[in-house]
Amino acid sequence: SYVLTQPPSVSVAPGQTARITCGGNNIGSKSVHWYQQKPGQAPVLVVYDDSDRPSGIPERFSGSNSGNTATLTISRVEAGDEADYHCQVWDSSSEHYVFGTGTKVTVL
Amino acid sequence: QVQLVQSGAEVKKPGASVKVSCKASSYTFTSYGITWVRQAPGQGLEWMGWISVYNGNANYAQKLQGRVTMTTDTSTSTAYMELRSLRSDDTAVYYCARVNYGSGSPINYWYFDLWGRGTLVTVSS
Repeated sequence: SYVLTQPPSVSVAPGQTARITCGGNNIGSKSVHWYQQKPGQAPVLVVYDDSDRPSGIPERFSGSNSGNTATLTISRVEAGDEADYHCQVWDSSSEHYVFGTGTKVTVL
Repeated sequence: QVQLVQSGAEVKKPGASVKVSCKASSYTFTSYGITWVRQAPGQGLEWMGWISVYNGNANYAQKLQGRVTMTTDTSTSTAYMELRSLRSDDTAVYYCARVNYGSGSPINYWYFDLWGRGTLVTVSS
């Protein structure tokens, strides 16, 4: 089955930029979606189709996808961005949705 | 407002079944799908399957085939997920989420744009 690999944790100072990677075989050929999950809460969609933002999501959240790596970038990080972030794709081989392993973002 | 409201927490014994409900409000229920995702304590998200509200067709994760059934009731805008033969490792928070089809995009572009708050299912003897 298709595997998406994320770093377990990323630490960033307020005002700096956080980059969260999602690795998968030829992931650049897939559409990648990103979800933010704060402690004790349900996930929230922050980026879809690699780089589109739902209404209400700040422009500070952006995405890119090429080759074997998709990236969620959070610019001008704020304390409220501290959360787990999960990437997700559709695997056509298994006809299953697949989530990444998740990355905990800590704001120093 | 647009939301998915899930049923309350459940405690079940091993071997039992659980049925979780997910009631949609303030959007056209049949224009989207419903997916179910679970999260064991301290773990990541695990996709369980999804159902087309329009025609009732469902697709389940291979790991859960034979134990899970997803259904919808369009008269009440409610989706259901039943999991049978429960084991301790089924202990998790179970989420329903709306599947957004985009503008008639193929399935590989669909995403989950609205989530319920989750239902904790505890399996313990």
